[in-house]
Amino acid sequence: DADVTQTPRNRITKTGKRIMLECSQTKGHDRMYWYRQDPGLGLRLIYYSFDVKDINKGEISDGYSVSRQAQAKFSLSLESAIPNQTALYFCATSDLSSSGANVLTFGAGSRLTVL
Amino acid sequence: DQQVKQNSPSLSVQEGRISILNCDYTNSMFDYFLWYKKYPAEGPTFLISISSIKDKNEDGRFTVFLNKSAKHLSLHIVPSQPGDSAVYFCAASGVRGSQGNLIFGKGTKLSVKP
Repeated sequence: DADVTQTPRNRITKTGKRIMLECSQTKGHDRMYWYRQDPGLGLRLIYYSFDVKDINKGEISDGYSVSRQAQAKFSLSLESAIPNQTALYFCATSDLSSSGANVLTFGAGSRLTVL
Repeated sequence: DQQVKQNSPSLSVQEGRISILNCDYTNSMFDYFLWYKKYPAEGPTFLISISSIKDKNEDGRFTVFLNKSAKHLSLHIVPSQPGDSAVYFCAASGVRGSQGNLIFGKGTKLSVKP
């Protein structure tokens, strides 16, 4: 099984619908993240959480919300999806490496299309 | 304003030759730099990192060089193999207040031709 599992892997929805992307991890890491990838724009941070009681906005949090249900689970919600939220979404976890770098482990991604 | 820049969207290299992927940054307070590799339909995977107190880190065929005065780092892959064909992301962390969060460049697509 993958260390970081995202569901669904693909989703097509309509404008205005509520969508939830789920993420679970078996790494035992405290830190979890949601990123968005758009063509030509790299990876941009939406929200992050350093433990169950800690939720922080990232670079592009507008239009999104998150829930950290447990150490291993971090879900991303789009309350009312719009077409410019069509993107590839990645969940990630991290723990500081022995070198001190914040090394992220990513899930395989959830491709969301909003029509 | 982009803090981490990968100015080459793509790079094509012959198998066996050296691949050099470049990354520039603007914030001198970054303390770690990382490279990730991404294949289609998969998430990015960590490749190699370097601390700002070093100028070189090597792991097998992969070497990262850091030039702090130029705010520039590069990833060298020697020898390049067709399986290295992927999108490579440069990332940086350590700016005060960022809590160690990574800032990614836009990526460079490497194609290694057999």
